[in-house]
Amino acid sequence: QQQVKQSPQSLIVQKGGIPIINCAYENTAFDYFPWYQQFPGKGPALLIAIRPDVSEKKEGRFTISFNKSAKQFSLHIMDSQPGDSATYFCAARDSNYQLIWGAGTKLIIKP
Amino acid sequence: SQTIHQWPATLVQPVGSPLSLECTVEGTSNPNLYWYRQAAGRGLQLLFYSVGIGQISSEVPQNLSASRPQDRQFILSSKKLLLSDSGFYLCAWRGRERAYEQYFGPGTRLTVT
Repeated sequence: QQQVKQSPQSLIVQKGGIPIINCAYENTAFDYFPWYQQFPGKGPALLIAIRPDVSEKKEGRFTISFNKSAKQFSLHIMDSQPGDSATYFCAARDSNYQLIWGAGTKLIIKP
Repeated sequence: SQTIHQWPATLVQPVGSPLSLECTVEGTSNPNLYWYRQAAGRGLQLLFYSVGIGQISSEVPQNLSASRPQDRQFILSSKKLLLSDSGFYLCAWRGRERAYEQYFGPGTRLTVT
């Protein structure tokens, strides 16, 4: 199954809260799982990525949690700020080195 | 350092008119190149990708076409635009290393009227 299912579609969190965005996949051949951040009118940019042999990866306030047995991974944003308001995409790399994209989550951080 | 350019930034075209969007990459050789379309508030739809000059793979059948006349140039075209072609068009490149990372250009906002 060449799909990555992302939820929720949209999310509103108060400043300082911890938004969590979830993604699920079926294809066990996926071997890399990046997250991209997109601000309005801009192209997406890589935020953080994880390999399936690692259960957690942190970069600054952003953390990926990876559950290989459940075929799920999630993005957590600690101490969220209004500047984190953006659309977030999860993705998975397939055996042809192509990225399979989730549908995106529009995140709004309220001041 | 690598840079990706897209032009124009915005475009308003009538239905039935032709289209040509250009993407160029600097600072890298033999990149994989991609064209995506993003409808308003929606996700990324892969349209075309290219692994080399003259090599184009189409992901979605439509009235769009792509060409790669030079190593670092990728062109998206249409002979006759449809209303449904409106959207945000993004070009991206991927290097041979760090193959999970695609670098996106600034995009072209196309409105078909």
